[in-house]
Amino acid sequence: GENVGLHLPTLSVQEGDNSIINCAYSNSASDYFIWYKQESGKGPQFIIDIRSNMDKRQGQRVTVLLNKTVKHLSLQIAATQPGDSAVYFCAEDNQAGTALIFGKGTTLSVSS
Amino acid sequence: KAGVTQTPRYLIKTRGQQVTLSCSPISGHRSVSWYQQTPGQGLQFLFEYFSETQRNKGNFPGRFSGRQFSNSRSEMNVSTLELGDSALYLCASRSGTSGTGELFFGEGSRLTVL
Repeated sequence: GENVGLHLPTLSVQEGDNSIINCAYSNSASDYFIWYKQESGKGPQFIIDIRSNMDKRQGQRVTVLLNKTVKHLSLQIAATQPGDSAVYFCAEDNQAGTALIFGKGTTLSVSS
Repeated sequence: KAGVTQTPRYLIKTRGQQVTLSCSPISGHRSVSWYQQTPGQGLQFLFEYFSETQRNKGNFPGRFSGRQFSNSRSEMNVSTLELGDSALYLCASRSGTSGTGELFFGEGSRLTVL
């Protein structure tokens, strides 16, 4: 069935380090993937997305990598800042394209 | 441009009661989705509406229902509340007619069932 999960529930880094958050998905037919950031007391906020015809996409300080061979998605955050502390979710579109299937989330803690 | 607005932000109910949550999508967005977020289960899809029609439904009991109005505003209702319904209910909207694309989330309605 469709399942999107994250490898680690928590990740602690020092300010200025690069962070890598990983995600494994099980549906090889998934066409669209997205990363969200959720701060305490707020709804999820879009970070970056990628379609299955791409391997890499870059945004401001963030990069998403997609490895379709092993069904793996990762989010790289450069020069991590305390404001990056949040829960990060990966998600994929379901086969009907009408819903996002979310992973459990990784809590990123950035210490200064 | 105003974001997705959800009301109420917080509410407390007792078992057996029912609750109605409201969502106003971003202006121009015709697709509205609802998600339930709990610590144990994470974010789970409830249903999605487009042009007043339910296009997809998640794996939730019939006590969970929703609707969408002609102005794209949406409501969801939970009847006969159970303790396990305590959660953050998130509404999200997207612009396109196709299913894929960024979902814009509201801040959520936090429901506590006592």
